[in-house]
Amino acid sequence: AQSVAQPEDQVNVAEGNPLTVKCTYSVSGNPYLFWYVQYPNRGLQFLLKYITGDNLVKGSYGFEAEFNKSQTSFHLKKPSALVSDSALYFCAVRDMGNSGAGSYQLTFGKGTKLSVIP
Amino acid sequence: EADIYQTPRYLVIGTGKKITLECSQTMGHDKMYWYQQDPGMELHLIHYSYGVNSTEKGDLSSESTVSRIRTEHFPLTLESARPSHTSQYLCASSEWAGYGYTFGSGTRLTVV
Repeated sequence: AQSVAQPEDQVNVAEGNPLTVKCTYSVSGNPYLFWYVQYPNRGLQFLLKYITGDNLVKGSYGFEAEFNKSQTSFHLKKPSALVSDSALYFCAVRDMGNSGAGSYQLTFGKGTKLSVIP
Repeated sequence: EADIYQTPRYLVIGTGKKITLECSQTMGHDKMYWYQQDPGMELHLIHYSYGVNSTEKGDLSSESTVSRIRTEHFPLTLESARPSHTSQYLCASSEWAGYGYTFGSGTRLTVV
């Protein structure tokens, strides 16, 4: 079974400071990992993904994430937060070793609300 | 620009009414999904389809039904709306899980 955890319901950060949104996962094989962002009354938008290769993945809007296999983590980061980054962030995983009925499905975390304070 | 479209964006409807939430995608994706998103943010998978004439219930029990007669179209129907159905409904599609999902903008449903 595949699962993903976002341990923080909310993260507050001052504008201009670095931000981190945490994600840990559990899979039996190798993971596909994703980050999505959701603005109010909108659907989820793709930010970045890790499939294979370089552990540091760069995505949209200056975000990046680091895949850490030993810690089974995929934390989202940005060097300098903007007020416009305030939104909901979802981490998602798919187990590459999953060939069962749910093999086409991503499992989403519960989401983390990021608030960037001016 | 989104290639997956949901209509209506907002809907307020009375208890007992039948409603259909529309979802269409122009990407030719075989796999489509419906999620219900509660006020606490969490996404709950309620239906999915891996192709025409293929539909399955998701992790969260739902009184809604879906159909997949055409690849591009995956409507969700509530035969008799109730206040407990008030939520945001998100439709998504994918070609392959490694590419992730593409989401529509959502339908915010309020049943009064």
